[in-house]
Amino acid sequence: DVKVTQSSRYLVKRTGEKVFLECVQDMDHENMFWYRQDPGLGLRLIYFSYDVKMKEKGDIPEGYSVSREKKERFSLILESASTNQTSMYLCASRGGLAVYNEQFFGPGTRLTVL
Amino acid sequence: GENVEQHPSTLSVQEGDSAVIKCTYSDSASNYFPWYKQELGKRPQLIIDIRSNVGEKKDQRIAVTLNKTAKHFSLHITETQPEDSAVYFCAASLMNRDDKIIFGKGTRLHILP
Repeated sequence: DVKVTQSSRYLVKRTGEKVFLECVQDMDHENMFWYRQDPGLGLRLIYFSYDVKMKEKGDIPEGYSVSREKKERFSLILESASTNQTSMYLCASRGGLAVYNEQFFGPGTRLTVL
Repeated sequence: GENVEQHPSTLSVQEGDSAVIKCTYSDSASNYFPWYKQELGKRPQLIIDIRSNVGEKKDQRIAVTLNKTAKHFSLHITETQPEDSAVYFCAASLMNRDDKIIFGKGTRLHILP
């Protein structure tokens, strides 16, 4: 049973703080993703990674960075948090180099920036 | 890049009736079309998917259809039940090494008693 876990369910930070969101998967998946979910806007891709130390920008990378030092862990970093980054953040993983693999999501982190 | 449009954004149906959600995609090379269901406060989970070499797929009360020529695909839920209330996301992908799934904006489905 695939498990994707995220370090926090709820997080409250202040404007200007550096924020780390951690995601871990236990199925040896090559591909990992970070989305943010906002009402009416669906799931928007921030960054993704298809291998250790590899990263690709998604649709809304501004204000974010990522780190993938180990295959099972993908971190999202808000260098200087702003109020417009208040959102639900979802991590996901999927096996690569094989077609039609299911993408599994983590439980989400609801981030509030004050 | 790929773009996925989903309609309607909100849908209310009487319990027992059918619900249909429609999506269109832009990249004719896309070959994988999953549907995810997200219940309130929970993570999105895959409920059904279809590949480009298939026109229709059914799993109990849910079915998906794909029209590659028109580049649109639909989710059909028959005999709706209260537990079908959720947000549904369609998605499209070109499955290769550097692969990412592009999601529609979601449809909030309300099942009315």
